[in-house]
Amino acid sequence: GAVVSQHPSWVICKSGTSVKIECRSLDFQATTMFWYRQFPKQSLMLMATSNEGSKATYEQGVEKDKFLINHASLTLSTLTVTSAHPEDSSFYICSARDHRLWTDRGFLNYGYTFGSGTRLTVV
Amino acid sequence: AQTVTQSQPEMSVQEAETVTLSCTYDTSESDYYLFWYKQPPSRQMILVIRQEAYKQQNATENRFSVNFQKAAKSFSLKISDSQLGDAAMYFCAYRNLQGGSEKLVFGKGMKLTVNP
Repeated sequence: GAVVSQHPSWVICKSGTSVKIECRSLDFQATTMFWYRQFPKQSLMLMATSNEGSKATYEQGVEKDKFLINHASLTLSTLTVTSAHPEDSSFYICSARDHRLWTDRGFLNYGYTFGSGTRLTVV
Repeated sequence: AQTVTQSQPEMSVQEAETVTLSCTYDTSESDYYLFWYKQPPSRQMILVIRQEAYKQQNATENRFSVNFQKAAKSFSLKISDSQLGDAAMYFCAYRNLQGGSEKLVFGKGMKLTVNP
């Protein structure tokens, strides 16, 4: 089945520094990947949709300059948290659409696979 | 905007018994998907079951089944013969099929404990 690898699984960084999180589709090509943020005991909130070869689409309220997304290949999307602050501490999860799962109704959401997440702590 | 509500933050069930997790949602759209995802302690989100809104038949996947009430905007998950490995956070999610967005809207989740 489709596998999405996310790295690192946890990271601690100093306030003011930047940190990069990688999301890779291991056995399929992902033209579209998604970045979610999960606060403690809260739901997942979509931050942005990452499209290979084009600019990411950010959800309302998400700072584009703070959360830089790059989707340079069909198997890799990266999220860079720039000038991190303690309030950026959270759990970040990516997901990728498996383009092979196509139906006559278009892409089927069933084809979305999630990474195992990254715990970011900013001190 | 679409919203998903899971009113029960926690539930527990005895091993081998049946438990039902509730979920309601709000949308003005007619064509959408509904999902239940499981998030064990490993934090990996795992798809449990999905339902297409245009299908009247309730989805079933082995021990997992749903009760989809479109008019009531209700989407509950029934877990039969509960196993220790079912212990996890369970999230109900919605995806609109119109407008081109692939955004999943999640509920706040419910923690399920399975007692041996």
